[in-house]
Amino acid sequence: EAQVTQNPRYLITVTGKKLTVTCSQNMNHEYMSWYRQDPGLGLRQIYYSMNVEVTDKGDVPEGYKVSRKEKRNFPLILESPSPNQTSLYFCASSLGQGNGAYGYTFGSGTRLTVV
Amino acid sequence: GENVEQHPSTLSVQEGDSAVIKCTYSDSASNYFPWYKQELGKRPQLIIDIRSNVGEKKDQRIAVTLNKTAKHFSLHITETQPEDSAVYFCAATFTGGFKTIFGAGTRLFVKA
Repeated sequence: EAQVTQNPRYLITVTGKKLTVTCSQNMNHEYMSWYRQDPGLGLRQIYYSMNVEVTDKGDVPEGYKVSRKEKRNFPLILESPSPNQTSLYFCASSLGQGNGAYGYTFGSGTRLTVV
Repeated sequence: GENVEQHPSTLSVQEGDSAVIKCTYSDSASNYFPWYKQELGKRPQLIIDIRSNVGEKKDQRIAVTLNKTAKHFSLHITETQPEDSAVYFCAATFTGGFKTIFGAGTRLFVKA
């Protein structure tokens, strides 16, 4: 089954404790992205990757890191989480963006609480 | 800067009525406009999309229209059903930075 797999689904952590949210897709998609969803703000793009070893900032990249060492994986790293990073996070992938854009397939989401 | 505005934020309709959600975008070079439906507690799912070389697209009870001159696009749902109740997001792809920016969402309630 074609899918984007995110883990964990729920995570409660303390301020400053490094964490990684994993994302993997099995559709051979070149483009992957991370979004955070907050009430009233919709989905805001954190980082995106157009292919292996090619990443760029979205609209809200502060406090986050990403890497794309393999085509299928795109982990989101919070080196020193803070309470304002409490949110619902979605990983998404697509065949492409820009001039040859296609719709996203989203992961199931990770609800992160930082206390 | 790049922006997508979506209206209304909340929409309540009677079952069987039509619902219309409108979005405007800032970048005249945007060329891809998807719509996503997010049911409570679930992930967003693509329901329909339109490219800049097309003015209208239909899929059963759902249609999307695009006015490039005015830089706005709309989602039309006809004969609404209770299962259409969800949050709907419009989005626009900005070619300059390979970004996709979403509107803030419309919560649609369909009353039986």
